[in-house]
Amino acid sequence: DARVTQTPRHKVTEMGQEVTMRCQPILGHNTVFWYRQTMMQGLELLAYFRNRAPLDDSGMPKDRFSAEMPDATLATLKIQPSEPRDSAVYFCASGPDGGRGMNTEAFFGQGTRLTVV
Amino acid sequence: AQSVAQPEDQVNVAEGNPLTVKCTYSVSGNPYLFWYVQYPNRGLQFLLKYITGDNLVKGSYGFEAEFNKSQTSFHLKKPSALVSDSALYFCAVRDITGTASKLTFGTGTRLQVTL
Repeated sequence: DARVTQTPRHKVTEMGQEVTMRCQPILGHNTVFWYRQTMMQGLELLAYFRNRAPLDDSGMPKDRFSAEMPDATLATLKIQPSEPRDSAVYFCASGPDGGRGMNTEAFFGQGTRLTVV
Repeated sequence: AQSVAQPEDQVNVAEGNPLTVKCTYSVSGNPYLFWYVQYPNRGLQFLLKYITGDNLVKGSYGFEAEFNKSQTSFHLKKPSALVSDSALYFCAVRDITGTASKLTFGTGTRLQVTL
């Protein structure tokens, strides 16, 4: 049963610490999304990759957030330094076909619940 | 820029009654449209999509949605609601012009089905 895997599921950290969230997309999927979900803002797109290349990271605070895909099986989202306002659930999603064609839906991981104290 | 609007924060329905969750969209080209459902402490699960063809699409758990190009809407429907349908529902859009496109979500609508 193919699925998107995110680690860790929960993370509590102190303000100022570095946080790294990891995502293993579904094998064969060439698009990867990072979303942040909060009660106030809903689902916000942070970054979007196709074939490991970043296509859109305009939703991501550049001074502290960074997103990379070191290889096709791993996407990372890093926050350094973390702040209490970064507390949220971070979702990774992957999809096939670059967003076109019939197989275009994205599949979501279970999310990483981040709490910065 | 593409966008999605879900005008209702919450929809309340009695079990057995039909339900509708509303969604309107805005894209510069032709849209791909999606509905996702989120249960507490879970990720989003894909329900159904409209790509092309028949305006009425059927998806998981008895849900269906109707694409209306003139009204730029893609409302989610189910003929008979179940208590277990209670969850957060998201509409999403991709603009298929260009080589690839991001997936933009609405703010979500909480569906509450009661006995």
